[in-house]
Amino acid sequence: KNQVEQSPQSLIILEGKNCTLQCNYTVSPFSNLRWYKQDTGRGPVSLTIMTFSENTKSNGRYTATLDADTKQSSLHITASQLSDSASYICVVSARNSGYSTLIFGKGTKLSVKP
Amino acid sequence: NAGVTQTPKFRVLKTGQSMTLLCAQDMNHEYMYWYRQDPGMGLRLIHYSVGEGTTAKGEVPDGYNVSRLKKQNFLLGLESAAPSQTSVYFCASRGVGAGGYNEQFFGPGTRLTVL
Repeated sequence: KNQVEQSPQSLIILEGKNCTLQCNYTVSPFSNLRWYKQDTGRGPVSLTIMTFSENTKSNGRYTATLDADTKQSSLHITASQLSDSASYICVVSARNSGYSTLIFGKGTKLSVKP
Repeated sequence: NAGVTQTPKFRVLKTGQSMTLLCAQDMNHEYMYWYRQDPGMGLRLIHYSVGEGTTAKGEVPDGYNVSRLKKQNFLLGLESAAPSQTSVYFCASRGVGAGGYNEQFFGPGTRLTVL
């Protein structure tokens, strides 16, 4: 069964600190992996998308890594800001017969405190 | 360019009532999707459409119907609402292009409560 597991479920850090969120997946056939940021009361917004051949991708203070062999991904946030408080969702795309299916993780809720 | 918009933002229904959620996109996208998001769960696909006039079932389609009469609009209907349909509903759309990663753009969500 295709699954995406994220850890931790929630995380509290102080402003200015770094943090790393984890994502493990069992999805086949793998197409790509995405990280989304979802602010409270808003829709998810894409941060990064990585294909099988990409090991790392950055978007400002966000850096995602992908290890396709171990089926693990991480999202590293550098020098956190209060505006980083949100849920971060790992999404893996499986491609079957020319059509993609997205499998969503439950998300990690990050709280950045002053 | 408003992206993906959803109407209404909030709604409270009584069990058995019906309603329609409207999703509109101005990006000329072919594909549109309806998801629901429940506490402690990932987003789950209800129905989707690969083009005007087409619809297909997703992971959790029971109790919902959809229509895509115009390319820019995707409607989600609840014929007889049940408390189990209390959720936040998100619409998304994506285009079709060579070399694309099927990027989905999400709307702001509709919070529905069924009493």
